[in-house]
Amino acid sequence: AQSVSQHNHHVILSEAASLELGCNYSYGGTVNLFWYVQYPGQHLQLLLKYFSGDPLVKGIKGFEAEFIKSKFSFNLRKPSVQWSDTAEYFCAVNAGSNTGKLIFGQGTTLQVKP
Amino acid sequence: NAGVTQTPKFRILKIGQSMTLQCTQDMNHNYMYWYRQDPGMGLKLIYYSVGAGITDKGEVPNGYNVSRSTTEDFPLRLELAAPSQTSVYFCASSYSRDGGEQFFGPGTRLTVL
Repeated sequence: AQSVSQHNHHVILSEAASLELGCNYSYGGTVNLFWYVQYPGQHLQLLLKYFSGDPLVKGIKGFEAEFIKSKFSFNLRKPSVQWSDTAEYFCAVNAGSNTGKLIFGQGTTLQVKP
Repeated sequence: NAGVTQTPKFRILKIGQSMTLQCTQDMNHNYMYWYRQDPGMGLKLIYYSVGAGITDKGEVPNGYNVSRSTTEDFPLRLELAAPSQTSVYFCASSYSRDGGEQFFGPGTRLTVL
């Protein structure tokens, strides 16, 4: 069965530290990849997405992610985090489905200390 | 545009009670989804719909039912509430079947006691 795995469940960083959140998926075919963010008390919103082309994609608020096909990975990065980045981050994959269904990872809670 | 709206925001049910979680979108999206979110488990797909009159099961459909009589509305029905259905429920919609962005509602926090 297709699955998405996020390795870090809870990350604590100080402001200005660099961030990298891991995401791996299990599917051998063409995939569309997403990172969603859920700020405290808010609903999920899209950070960035990869469909094709340049494997390094840039999203909102200075986030970027790199698709490495050979490693089945789509890691999220940010060079310098801010307190306002405190949130839960979800990696999601649309794997060969013609229904738009997404498979989500377990989520990573990021806490940024001021 | 209101986007995706859900009601109620919070609800407490007793075991065995029934309720319907409402979801409406005003973006004319064909694709709609219901997820549940449990701590440390991410989001699990309950049911989805690719258009009015067409619904199908997701990963965790047991204990739930859906209908899609219009493009805008996609209600989720719990017939006999159980403590295992305590969760946060999110409705989402999308314009594309090819992995287009899903737009999420604010969620319904349901507790079954």
